[in-house]
Amino acid sequence: GAGVSQTPSNKVTEKGKYVELRCDPISGHTALYWYRQSLGQGPEFLIYFQGTGAADDSGLPNDRFFAVRPEGSVSTLKIQRTERGDSAVYLCASSLKPRMSSYNSPLHFGNGTRLTVT
Amino acid sequence: DQQVKQNSPSLSVQEGRISILNCDYTNSMFDYFLWYKKYPAEGPTFLISISSIKDKNEDGRFTVFLNKSAKHLSLHIVPSQPGDSAVYFCAASEASGAGSYQLTFGKGTKLSVIP
Repeated sequence: GAGVSQTPSNKVTEKGKYVELRCDPISGHTALYWYRQSLGQGPEFLIYFQGTGAADDSGLPNDRFFAVRPEGSVSTLKIQRTERGDSAVYLCASSLKPRMSSYNSPLHFGNGTRLTVT
Repeated sequence: DQQVKQNSPSLSVQEGRISILNCDYTNSMFDYFLWYKKYPAEGPTFLISISSIKDKNEDGRFTVFLNKSAKHLSLHIVPSQPGDSAVYFCAASEASGAGSYQLTFGKGTKLSVIP
């Protein structure tokens, strides 16, 4: 079965440019998450979708970051006016149920998009 | 401030021996804990979890122990195999509210199993 798919796997962009990162969750998973992993750190929560709506976007660092999931499946993370500090691996994950403590509903992560802002 | 701490950035263990990875947390609202394993250029993969109502959970070679009073958990791998070489992340979540949708991760411990 297909896992979480993220494209592109690598993205190099110039400071100030706009980027879009795509995530295809596991089929049937209604909960979708974006995390960001900077060098030497663990993944940090950005945003959570239940269906089409962003149920929790408290982790987005500022208003340059935005994410959508218009049909409740594929999600796109959008970063405007990129800065060098945005360089990181952006991880997408999905789960069958939204609450972490739900039995047998761990997060399934994709391989991430490595974003480099020059 | 780090709510989930993995104080050992790296650990080397001989093949066949036990690997013990440690994790401490500060948020008393955390009640569900997970370990993820990560190979280079791949996303983290779920390994094992434990609810705060338990103090031990075992799955094959992997056992997680939870000491709530000390806010400490550990992952034991026995016997260790070279394929276990990876970065291991400890993660935690809350039972309810916004924290139940989020995982808070530690910085990870890089395990090297020497053949």
